[in-house]
Amino acid sequence: NAGVMQNPRHLVRRRGQEARLRCSPMKGHSHVYWYRQLPEEGLKFMVYLQKENIIDESGMPKERFSAEFPKEGPSILRIQQVVRGDSAAYFCASSPLGQVTDTQYFGPGTRLTVL
Amino acid sequence: AQSVTQLDSHVSVSEGTPVLLRCNYSSSYSPSLFWYVQHPNKGLQLLLKYTSAATLVKGINGFEAEFKKSETSFHLTKPSAHMSDAAEYFCVVSEAGGYQIVTFGIGTKLQVIP
Repeated sequence: NAGVMQNPRHLVRRRGQEARLRCSPMKGHSHVYWYRQLPEEGLKFMVYLQKENIIDESGMPKERFSAEFPKEGPSILRIQQVVRGDSAAYFCASSPLGQVTDTQYFGPGTRLTVL
Repeated sequence: AQSVTQLDSHVSVSEGTPVLLRCNYSSSYSPSLFWYVQHPNKGLQLLLKYTSAATLVKGINGFEAEFKKSETSFHLTKPSAHMSDAAEYFCVVSEAGGYQIVTFGIGTKLQVIP
């Protein structure tokens, strides 16, 4: 059973470009979470999705950021018009039921560098 | 609302000596608590979790943690540090309230000195 997959592992963008980060959850998991880790900081929750639904996006910046988890295919975190402050590691996690006691399984992360 | 405080940003121990990484939490409901480890430029790996069963939880690689409700603590310990334990450790709380949203501590970097 493959773990959570994220691609690309490293992404370099110039200011103003778009960044698309992909996350394939573990097989059988329908709950996906995105986190951002800034240098020297812990992980900050961004958004929680189930298939075709955004459940909680309270941690997502109101502008330029969006997320989706379509019926088919991976979850996508999209950052439009990137700025230097978007440089961070973005982690995706999945869990089977979204319950409080569930373990979230993390992908290896995408490290975004904005030049 | 839930929160997590990791009391030490850096901990340094000698190889073969005990490890103690401290974590205090705040939660309005019965929480689930987790410890994750992150090696440099890697993803996060679950070490152990507490979900209202036994208060002493044993995890992988010889780590364990004890849930103490009266002290709102969930400290991570290991009797004898190994060089491969050098990494960053995150304490995480998840509380009941409809669905699972977790909150991470800021992390503790563990250095193991040969």
